[in-house]
Amino acid sequence: RKEVEQDPGPFNVPEGATVAFNCTYSNSASQSFFWYRQDCRKEPKLLMSVYSSGNEDGRFTAQLNRASQYISLLIRDSKLSDSATYLCVDDRAGGSYIPTFGRGTSLIVHP
Amino acid sequence: DTAVSQTPKYLVTQMGNDKSIKCEQNLGHDTMYWYKQDSKKFLKIMFSYNNKELIINETVPNRFSPKSPDKAHLNLHINSLELGDSAVYFCASSPRTGVDRQQFFGPGTRLTVL
Repeated sequence: RKEVEQDPGPFNVPEGATVAFNCTYSNSASQSFFWYRQDCRKEPKLLMSVYSSGNEDGRFTAQLNRASQYISLLIRDSKLSDSATYLCVDDRAGGSYIPTFGRGTSLIVHP
Repeated sequence: DTAVSQTPKYLVTQMGNDKSIKCEQNLGHDTMYWYKQDSKKFLKIMFSYNNKELIINETVPNRFSPKSPDKAHLNLHINSLELGDSAVYFCASSPRTGVDRQQFFGPGTRLTVL
């Protein structure tokens, strides 16, 4: 099974900081990736898709580096409400629409 | 309107019992999934159904049996529950194809086996 690896953290940052997470994937044929956010005791929710050309949504930027087989998530001007676990997903890690989630990276934003 | 709903939200039961979890989506999606999230928060796919047909069956004990009566419903039946089955079970749905094949998750069912 093709894997998706993430640093579990936690990343402990002050409000206003910029923080970046990486996620490596092992299936070189993968093309479709996502970042999800999961709050404590809640379900995962889509944060953003990751396009080849990069994707920006407000304070969040997602990028894909095919050569090194990783995706990244950059959060600028961190808010307390950004505290959550961020999960990356390779939508085709299994080769046939078998989504595989990373273990998640925990972010704690403190005052 | 809830897009993906699951019942029950909490389930506490004894070892050896049989239990079911129900899932319904009103998004018109073709594909539905069951995931297990253990105490270490690792979210692992268990099953996937496309238009009522099983397309993914990961390494899951055969005590777990999914059933899809129609493409809007995917239920999970668990026989002879074991302590290690304690986890949060999430149902999800997504379009079958397309670039933006994001998944929509239900609120989860927290199963505790005593």
